[in-house]
Amino acid sequence: AQKVTQAQTEISVVEKEDVTLDCVYETRDTTYYLFWYKQPPSGELVFLIRRNSFDEQNEISGRYSWNFQKSTSSFNFTITASQVVDSAVYFCALATSGTYKYIFGTGTRLKVLA
Amino acid sequence: EPEVTQTPSHQVTQMGQEVILRCVPISNHLYFYWYRQILGQKVEFLVSFYNNEISEKSEIFDDQFSVERPDGSNFTLKIRSTKLEDSAMYFCASRTDTPGYTFGSGTRLTVV
Repeated sequence: AQKVTQAQTEISVVEKEDVTLDCVYETRDTTYYLFWYKQPPSGELVFLIRRNSFDEQNEISGRYSWNFQKSTSSFNFTITASQVVDSAVYFCALATSGTYKYIFGTGTRLKVLA
Repeated sequence: EPEVTQTPSHQVTQMGQEVILRCVPISNHLYFYWYRQILGQKVEFLVSFYNNEISEKSEIFDDQFSVERPDGSNFTLKIRSTKLEDSAMYFCASRTDTPGYTFGSGTRLTVV
């Protein structure tokens, strides 16, 4: 069975703090893709990153960084120096071969307080 | 940047009525999807569509639901007889051969 677990339901931080959002996935497929999406209060799904199972390089994009570890089936997301505009729900998702439908986690609501 | 367009952004319908949610995928995309998000919950897969037929559907996608690509540009989701529990945000998505979608901005369906 395929599954994505985001154990953190809600996180509150003060502006400028660093925050890490956890994502643990389960799949038996050897080829798969992992994604992070941001859902601001307006409701749309904003793409942040895609990673395939053969690329374990960590990635940094501005204040965002991602740590992919196949050994622990985790794909964690860190925001450095958080800002109020980062307040949103963040979803991790898994897609495997075939139709590449997404299996989403339950999301983590991040609140960044000024 | 190309976008997936969904209309309307918000629709209110009475229980038992038929509703059609419309999507215009990106023109060179080949694979199309509908997802649903009940308020405050996670995003759930409904159906995938390729080469003018359904390639996979979830348990949620029962006989009340249907999809169609009527004219080569639009991609529609029809709910035949809406129930209160169909109230949700519905997202359309499309992609090329590579995994990784472009999502539309969603249609919020409210069944009263």
